[in-house]
Amino acid sequence: KQEVTQIPAALSVPEGENLVLNCSFTDSAIYNLQWFRQDPGKGLTSLLLIQSSQREQTSGRLNASLDKSSGRSTLYIAASQPGDSATYLCAVAGSGYSTLTFGKGTMLLVSP
Amino acid sequence: DVKVTQSSRYLVKRTGEKVFLECVQDMDHENMFWYRQDPGLGLRLIYFSYDVKMKEKGDIPEGYSVSREKKERFSLILESASTNQTSMYLCASEDLDSEAFFGQGTRLTVV
Repeated sequence: KQEVTQIPAALSVPEGENLVLNCSFTDSAIYNLQWFRQDPGKGLTSLLLIQSSQREQTSGRLNASLDKSSGRSTLYIAASQPGDSATYLCAVAGSGYSTLTFGKGTMLLVSP
Repeated sequence: DVKVTQSSRYLVKRTGEKVFLECVQDMDHENMFWYRQDPGLGLRLIYFSYDVKMKEKGDIPEGYSVSREKKERFSLILESASTNQTSMYLCASEDLDSEAFFGQGTRLTVV
């Protein structure tokens, strides 16, 4: 059964720093990987979707990479801002297109 | 603007009540999902549906049922609510190769 781990569980940085959030998964036979953002008490918002054939995706200050063979993905946030404070979740879909398995998230706090 | 809409943000129900959580999407997506989210446990899949009138059990279906009579609507039913079903419930929809879209969540408290 697929397991998804996110490290660290929480991260606090000053505004302006570049940072990396990590996601690892146990079964490398994935269909795609998604990164989501969740604000307190709210639903999830999709940030980036990486198909299994892709190595990375970029959106604005966000860049996500995927290394299937090692079972790892990273989310890079450039020039962090207080508005980036949220919980970031990683989720993978298994091969043959199956349902998403979520990590427990990294809670990010960016202080002014 | 694409949307997944859940019928309630907050609900308080009594133990033993039958509870309906409604979810509607306007993107003509084939696939819809119900999750619950609890501190320390993350998101867990309750039920999902790949088509109208079709349903599949997720990881924690006990105590729940679902209904999908129309493509855009996916309902989660708690047949007899219990206090251990107090949770945040999240609905999502997607199509093959698309990102998943989530509703705003329903915070259910069973007293």
